[in-house]
Amino acid sequence: DAKTTQPPSMDCAEGRAANLPCNHSTISGNEYVYWYRQIHSQGPQYIIHGLKNNETNEMASLIITEDRKSSTLILPHATLRDTAVYYCIVRVAGNTPLVFGKGTRLSVIA
Amino acid sequence: DAGVIQSPRHEVTEMGQEVTLRCKPISGHDYLFWYRQTMMRGLELLIYFNNNVPIDDSGMPEDRFSAKMPNASFSTLKIQPSEPRDSAVYFCASSSQGSYTEAFFGQGTRLTVV
Repeated sequence: DAKTTQPPSMDCAEGRAANLPCNHSTISGNEYVYWYRQIHSQGPQYIIHGLKNNETNEMASLIITEDRKSSTLILPHATLRDTAVYYCIVRVAGNTPLVFGKGTRLSVIA
Repeated sequence: DAGVIQSPRHEVTEMGQEVTLRCKPISGHDYLFWYRQTMMRGLELLIYFNNNVPIDDSGMPEDRFSAKMPNASFSTLKIQPSEPRDSAVYFCASSSQGSYTEAFFGQGTRLTVV
């Protein structure tokens, strides 16, 4: 059963910020929020994860609401190469397997 | 490191034939996962191993599917006999022991059963 809800698709203009939302209203206290993306014909790629604090790395920023029921992945300056399906996954700490939902198909438009 | 290596990249086989997919995880990783991706069902976990031992194979669709990990650097997923509905992209992923570690995916094997 999906623990997250994401919009099926989004568009973003090249050079603008892409903000991808995710709802996870049933998240437990020991579950992290992970984001992966899958560029066409490739294997999924890790982007970022967080527990309750906002996180930033060289790829993206993750904003988690205070109640932890939703989060937003931000790609600050989207490029055409960011066109992909983005998956939001909640997962307990440790090596429990990733369970993928349908994700959001992001199209970056020139 | 070359990452997770899967072979072959593409496989076309006739219905009823045996198919073997191969995966070499990243050196030092303790966990190995097999996934299948189709348009209809998305990415599904088939089975995963920890230290070469199968932990959960509840995602394996039928007895026609089997997976082995004879050592830390090699795993196989076998389908016998293959059927057209097995056509999909099969991904292998590995990760290391730890609380927050990410999983690294291979490029996948695109299987077509005709």
